[in-house]
Amino acid sequence: GENVEQHPSTLSVQEGDSAVIKCTYSDSASNYFPWYKQELGKGPQLIIDIRSNVGEKKDQRIAVTLNKTAKHFSLHITETQPEDSAVYFCAASRDYNNNDMRFGAGTRLTVKP
Amino acid sequence: NAGVTQTPKFQVLKTGQSMTLQCAQDMNHNSMYWYRQDPGMGLRLIYYSASEGTTDKGEVPNGYNVSRLNKREFSLRLESAAPSQTSVYFCASTSQILGEAFFGQGTRLTVV
Repeated sequence: GENVEQHPSTLSVQEGDSAVIKCTYSDSASNYFPWYKQELGKGPQLIIDIRSNVGEKKDQRIAVTLNKTAKHFSLHITETQPEDSAVYFCAASRDYNNNDMRFGAGTRLTVKP
Repeated sequence: NAGVTQTPKFQVLKTGQSMTLQCAQDMNHNSMYWYRQDPGMGLRLIYYSASEGTTDKGEVPNGYNVSRLNKREFSLRLESAAPSQTSVYFCASTSQILGEAFFGQGTRLTVV
């Protein structure tokens, strides 16, 4: 089955700096790669996703890149703000129904004011 | 619009006790899921229901049962709780078209 590895497990940056979180996956058939943000005491919330026919996707300060050949994808957050502090999860699946989706272990991002 | 609602938010059980975690969504989604979240392990799928009347095992189903009561509700039952089931449990639902999963706020379960 799919195996998703996520690095780093913790990341601390100064406000205004960029943050990068990296994930690798094992199943070459995976074609959907979402990123979720989990704030303290809440459930994960989708912040951006990318599908295998796209190499990069941007949404304001957030971008995700995908390298299917190397089987890795990354989340980039620019101009970080204290409210970006949270745990971020990457995931990978073959379809859009979450049935075989596998999550990374998570990255705790702390943005220092 | 409430989204996905889970009850209870917190629960402490003694080993061997049983309980049911409730989940309801008001987004008319067909698919619903139960995950557990453990430190350093991300989210792992316990059971899912692709549509009303169907349920299937996920990655870690042992010790759990589920019921898809109707399109809105999907419950998770622990028949005989064990300390290894101490975890945070999340219910989620998806629209098959979009793929985005909407999560509830979680149930923090401690088995002593």
